Amino acid sequence: DSGVTQTPKHLITATGQRVTLRCSPRSGDLSVYWYQQSLDQGLQFLIHYYNGEERAKGNILERFSAQQFPDLHSELNLSSLELGDSALYFCASSVGRTSGRSYEQYFGPGTRLTVT
Amino acid sequence: QKEVEQDPGPLSVPEGAIVSLNCTYSNSAFQYFMWYRQYSRKGPELLMYTYSSGNKEDGRFTAQVDKSSKYISLFIRDSQPSDSATYLCAMSLYNTDKLIFGTGTRLQVFP
Repeated sequence: DSGVTQTPKHLITATGQRVTLRCSPRSGDLSVYWYQQSLDQGLQFLIHYYNGEERAKGNILERFSAQQFPDLHSELNLSSLELGDSALYFCASSVGRTSGRSYEQYFGPGTRLTVT
Repeated sequence: QKEVEQDPGPLSVPEGAIVSLNCTYSNSAFQYFMWYRQYSRKGPELLMYTYSSGNKEDGRFTAQVDKSSKYISLFIRDSQPSDSATYLCAMSLYNTDKLIFGTGTRLQVFP
């Protein structure tokens, strides 16, 4: 158990809908990262938040957005969902850049999103 | 061309074998190199990380980085059926947070 929690485990929704995925980092971790894992693209970095502030963006669609709250939990919002958005969405956390160990990222169990 | 290339396998070996998993990369600026293990329907789990070149050993696992060849390896000695999983390599630049992953190699260790 990595100490990172994600809810829900599974989500089935229809095209055009909007969903919110939630992540709680490990105790003491200030950085939260979101990744998308699909069969054809592998694990792709989406976005990074550090202590409430956005720090880096990867291949994140404009229909997707995220935020990190004062209690450090994070939410990933996916809107106008398309069939191609079906994937596993992982959250990871790390101590943070100031520690010099931001490469040590600990992953949650993921949310499996199915868009029908 | 992807920044990180990894043979998807599957790689099937008998219990007790030495396993070699590899990744190649194109960006010579990568400084941190990680190996993650992912069991089916689970999140990736950090196995080992290495900074720059060299070897690192942890129990049955040895990670090697050859920056001159842009090639990294993970060796598993005395492989066990419980090692059956997908192994992902990941890399990052110095002082950045974005990890670039390989697509993963599926390993199956049979008794």
